[in-house]
Amino acid sequence: AQSVTQLDSQVPVFEEAPVELRCNYSSSVSVYLFWYVQYPNQGLQLLLKYLSGSTLVKGINGFEAEFNKSQTSFHLRKPSVHISDTAEYFCAVTPSGGYNKLIFGAGTRLAVHP
Amino acid sequence: DTGVSQNPRHKITKRGQNVTFRCDPISEHNRLYWYRQTLGQGPEFLTYFQNEAQLEKSRLLSDRFSAERPKGSFSTLEIQRTEQGDSAMYLCASSLDRDRFSYEQYFGPGTRLTVT
Repeated sequence: AQSVTQLDSQVPVFEEAPVELRCNYSSSVSVYLFWYVQYPNQGLQLLLKYLSGSTLVKGINGFEAEFNKSQTSFHLRKPSVHISDTAEYFCAVTPSGGYNKLIFGAGTRLAVHP
Repeated sequence: DTGVSQNPRHKITKRGQNVTFRCDPISEHNRLYWYRQTLGQGPEFLTYFQNEAQLEKSRLLSDRFSAERPKGSFSTLEIQRTEQGDSAMYLCASSLDRDRFSYEQYFGPGTRLTVT
């Protein structure tokens, strides 16, 4: 079985500051990793994904994440945040080779202040 | 392509009533997933369809829940004899079963169910 732990339930940050949202996972098999963003009253939008290859993955809206297999982590970073980045962020995994049901963490609420 | 759509967006019902939600996936997507999201939590997997075949149901899906995907197109999720614990956001997602694209799930806006 797989599980995902998002270490911070809320992250407040000032506009134009850098941010890191932390994600750790547990799995007995190899997994693929994802970050999704959810704006208020909307569905989830895929920010980025790691399937294989380079462990540094770039996504939309200036976000990037680094896969660290030894630490079973997949932290999300952005060098300079905007007010519009205020949203809920979810880390998710799926076993590689399966039919891709996603296992999500509990989410991190990013609040960007002016 | 308008993305994944879900109807209704909001549903308020009284305990004991039946409700049905609809999901229309992206037209060429043959994989369809249902998730449930309660307040302050991440989405939890409910069930998965490959075309019209329902290939997995989560233990979260009690006997009161049933999902269908006739002809492999739209899907419906029905909850019978609703309980207050069923109050949640019900999310639908779809993906294309083709190589690396099969890992990209596109989510609809969700149906928010409130059971009073």
